Amino acid sequence: GQNIDQPTEMTATEGAIVQINCTYQTSGFNGLFWYQQHAGEAPTFLSYNVLDGLEEKGRFSSFLSRSKGYSYLLLKELQMKDSASYLCAVIGKTDKLIFGTGTRLQVFP
Amino acid sequence: DVKVTQSSRYLVKRTGEKVFLECVQDMDHENMFWYRQDPGLGLRLIYFSYDVKMKEKGDIPEGYSVSREKKERFSLILESASTNQTSMYLCASIQPGPVYNEQFFGPGTRLTVL
Repeated sequence: GQNIDQPTEMTATEGAIVQINCTYQTSGFNGLFWYQQHAGEAPTFLSYNVLDGLEEKGRFSSFLSRSKGYSYLLLKELQMKDSASYLCAVIGKTDKLIFGTGTRLQVFP
Repeated sequence: DVKVTQSSRYLVKRTGEKVFLECVQDMDHENMFWYRQDPGLGLRLIYFSYDVKMKEKGDIPEGYSVSREKKERFSLILESASTNQTSMYLCASIQPGPVYNEQFFGPGTRLTVL
């Protein structure tokens, strides 16, 4: 079967660093995506990891360990506008993205 | 800079009506998808299509059908709308793998069935 787990909710303070974890069990693996979704809007792409390691893109970084079935999204220098849901998704051999239920992040001043 | 568009942002229909949700992408992608999103349940795949006239069931196809007559257009059809189909519907497209770029989403259609 396929299963993707991430925390339901997280809170953090403006200027801080937050790490959102994602664990997965899938029957095939061709990469892991992270998306950001503000309330009432469509998801927007943040990152795609297919090889182990850390990929940095500005304030956001994404890490993947294929052997552990684990990824995290790291957000640095948090801003109020980072309050959103963060979706972890795995793509298998069939070109389909399977999504977790998302992590709602609230950033407080 | 338009990539994936959906025919309506908001739609209100009555129980039993036939509902058409249209999606168009301008990136020449083979793969297109329809999801619904509900609080606490995340994005769930309804149907997807790998090519014109091809379709495959996703995780929750019951009560829905799809049509892909042209590469750029993927339609979701609710044959007889029911109140439990009130949801946010998202269309998406992506180029085939095995190495991927991003999956692009449309703006979503919030459907209310009364």
